[in-house]
Amino acid sequence: AQSVTQPDIHITVSEGASLELRCNYSYGATPYLFWYVQSPGQGLQLLLKYFSGDTLVQGIKGFEAEFKRSQSSFNLRKPSVHWSDAAEYFCAVGTRGSNYKLTFGKGTLLTVNP
Amino acid sequence: DTGVSQDPRHKITKRGQNVTFRCDPISEHNRLYWYRQTLGQGPEFLTYFQNEAQLEKSRLLSDRFSAERPKGSFSTLEIQRTEQGDSAMYLCASSGGGRQSPLNTGELFFGEGSRLTVL
Repeated sequence: AQSVTQPDIHITVSEGASLELRCNYSYGATPYLFWYVQSPGQGLQLLLKYFSGDTLVQGIKGFEAEFKRSQSSFNLRKPSVHWSDAAEYFCAVGTRGSNYKLTFGKGTLLTVNP
Repeated sequence: DTGVSQDPRHKITKRGQNVTFRCDPISEHNRLYWYRQTLGQGPEFLTYFQNEAQLEKSRLLSDRFSAERPKGSFSTLEIQRTEQGDSAMYLCASSGGGRQSPLNTGELFFGEGSRLTVL
């Protein structure tokens, strides 16, 4: 069975600073990988996804992530954080079937200081 | 708004009562999912429908839980004889199409969730 580890429960950065959120996955084959963001009281919004091809994927809101098979990682990055980026971020892995059942990590809460 | 909608958004109930949540997916999506999210955790898969057929259920879905999608459109999740451990956010998501379908983007579209508090 697949699993996802997000090692950082809470990260605080200053507005304008760069950001990297870590995600490690466990899955026997090539995974589908996702990053979702959840603001308080809101549902989950997809930031970006990796299925195959270029290992550096671009997403919405200026986010990008890099799939590194050798490290079983899919870290999320943003060069300059905005106050509106404060939210909880979830990494998820999906199986290569047709049902897109996702396994989520426990999330990383991002606080942005002015 | 044509996104996934869930009702009610909040439900407070006493232990032992039954509750039902409704999910209306994006209209052209044929797949519908229920997830549960407890405090400090990521969403956990509960069950999945393709059209009206319930194709997979998690071991988290005890006998007190039942989900239906009678006409392949909206879905309901009922919890009977609620327990305090059922307190959570129940999330619904939908996705579209088979592998060859142009609706198949690989993305799950989530609703805003139904928060259950069992006293």
